[in-house]
Amino acid sequence: GQQLNQSPQSMFIQEGEDVSMNCTSSSIFNTWLWYKQDPGEGPVLLIALYKAGELTSNGRLTAQFGITRKDSFLNISASIPSDVGIYFCAGQLGNYGGSQGNLIFGKGTKLSVKP
Amino acid sequence: SQTIHQWPATLVQPVGSPLSLECTVEGTSNPNLYWYRQAAGRGLQLLFYSVGIGQISSEVPQNLSASRPQDRQFILSSKKLLLSDSGFYLCAWSVGPSLVTFGSGTRLTVV
Repeated sequence: GQQLNQSPQSMFIQEGEDVSMNCTSSSIFNTWLWYKQDPGEGPVLLIALYKAGELTSNGRLTAQFGITRKDSFLNISASIPSDVGIYFCAGQLGNYGGSQGNLIFGKGTKLSVKP
Repeated sequence: SQTIHQWPATLVQPVGSPLSLECTVEGTSNPNLYWYRQAAGRGLQLLFYSVGIGQISSEVPQNLSASRPQDRQFILSSKKLLLSDSGFYLCAWSVGPSLVTFGSGTRLTVV
């Protein structure tokens, strides 16, 4: 089946640093989504991308839909302690056939910030 | 606005006991509904999804079942829990295929 390769799996950074994570796949996606999960909570949608090449920001977060439609990245600028959590990418395949909308999740990037 | 309610937030159950987790969505009609399981704080495994009342699809064979008795109600059940059923269970909804919105989760510990 289709898979998303999300990297890195985890990272430790100093407060104030910029963070970058990405997801890649061998499949072409129509939509890319980025979620953040705080400990003990459900994931919350951060950014949704719908067009190849699209670059979208949400505060200090910026995400891009890759030109090839097979990848996406998320950048966090000037990280702060509350950025700690697990970040998930998710991609929706083009051929929606009823199987949960073909939304595929990456395995997550665990972000830890040193204050 | 749409909201999703999932309960209980935490649950400790003995091995062999039954399970019932409930999820309801407000503010929308005919949503797609999902149950995910997350082990060890990583990775989201899709367990069940439903595109309508009484329509349940299972993604992985397991000791659990799901039901959708009403349009905006989704229930996750088990007749006899196993230790391996422990985990963080997330209900979610969407209208159409994307923009899945998650509930706050249930932490299940089977002892």
